[in-house]
Amino acid sequence: DTAVSQTPKYLVTQMGNDKSIKCEQNLGHDTMYWYKQDSKKFLKIMFSYNNKELIINETVPNRFSPKSPDKAHLNLHINSLELGDSAVYFCASSQYTGTSGGASTDTQYFGPGTRLTVL
Amino acid sequence: DQQVKQNSPSLSVQEGRISILNCDYTNSMFDYFLWYKKYPAEGPTFLISISSIKDKNEDGRFTVFLNKSAKHLSLHIVPSQPGDSAVYFCAASDGYGQNFVFGPGTRLSVLP
Repeated sequence: DTAVSQTPKYLVTQMGNDKSIKCEQNLGHDTMYWYKQDSKKFLKIMFSYNNKELIINETVPNRFSPKSPDKAHLNLHINSLELGDSAVYFCASSQYTGTSGGASTDTQYFGPGTRLTVL
Repeated sequence: DQQVKQNSPSLSVQEGRISILNCDYTNSMFDYFLWYKKYPAEGPTFLISISSIKDKNEDGRFTVFLNKSAKHLSLHIVPSQPGDSAVYFCAASDGYGQNFVFGPGTRLSVLP
């Protein structure tokens, strides 16, 4: 049974559209993340979120917003898509350990990624 | 079922010695493998990769070995430095980066 799942796997859309990517984890973790993988394969953290705190990477445009209906889900909404948003987006989860900086440094389980292509 | 496994959650090594991080995978369709390094509160950083047509790839202090028959790869860091202390993720994909599967990570501590 998949631990961290993302839908859709592939998303092709036009510039200016609004889209969402869904993420679900069945590990009982209380912290979830969104990462963007750039062309150099760097995984850049966009958000980390648990039921107490949302930490936003300040470089992320406010067109991107995480939405968490419950502890097992963290969806990513993107408004007014731009060409530069094309990338692979990964969701991850971990058990929050209260480390400084707000993000767990422990084991993270990643979803399979969503390849977003903006035309 | 985890397709990519890193069975050691943590590893401690003395500075100057070799660090060996292991990764096992189950899906024989994987043909491209990557290692990422992650510092606290940062995203993972790409370190080194290897395709299934090779059994070794070297970049400075980092070498990745791939044993396809055993479905096993390892990352060697020689010599280990305190700045190498981080969590290391193994990842695998089929189709050269089309679909990634990550291992859960191994925390490496390099002791001075």
